[in-house]
Amino acid sequence: EAQVTQNPRYLITVTGKKLTVTCSQNMNHEYMSWYRQDPGLGLRQIYYSMNVEVTDKGDVPEGYKVSRKEKRNFPLILESPSPNQTSLYFCASSKTGGANEKLFFGSGTQLSVL
Amino acid sequence: AQSVAQPEDQVNVAEGNPLTVKCTYSVSGNPYLFWYVQYPNRGLQFLLKYITGDNLVKGSYGFEAEFNKSQTSFHLKKPSALVSDSALYFCAVSRFSGGYNKLIFGAGTRLAVHP
Repeated sequence: EAQVTQNPRYLITVTGKKLTVTCSQNMNHEYMSWYRQDPGLGLRQIYYSMNVEVTDKGDVPEGYKVSRKEKRNFPLILESPSPNQTSLYFCASSKTGGANEKLFFGSGTQLSVL
Repeated sequence: AQSVAQPEDQVNVAEGNPLTVKCTYSVSGNPYLFWYVQYPNRGLQFLLKYITGDNLVKGSYGFEAEFNKSQTSFHLKKPSALVSDSALYFCAVSRFSGGYNKLIFGAGTRLAVHP
């Protein structure tokens, strides 16, 4: 089954403790992206990747890092989480990142930073 | 700057009645428009998209949307609502800019269909 898999589903952590949210897709997609969803704000893009070793900032990249060492994986790294990063996070992918392509989303990671 | 507005935080509809979820956009050039749906504890799922051609676009689960260029709108519609349609709906506009797919989402509209 074609899917985007995120882990963990829920995560509670404390300020300053490094964490990684994993994302993997099995569709051989070139384009992958991370979004955060906050009430009243919709989804905002954090980082995106057009292919292996090609990443760039989205609209709200501060406090986040990403890497794309393999085509299928696109982990999101919070090196020193802060409470304002408490949010619902989604990983998404599409075939090439074309403007007319639909995105496939993971099930989300609910992060709470205390 | 590109933007998407969903003017209603919540839409309430009785089962069997028609529903409309509104979306307006602001973008230079020709827009690519999308609707996504988010069911509880799930990721977003693609419903439909407008790229070019016929202004009435049909999508999954009996939904359709009408592109209106003069009003810069892309409202989501369904002739007869089901309780199972209750979910969070996001409108999005995409434009290939700066070498990549820039997708801007609206804030979302919660649809509640009552029996």
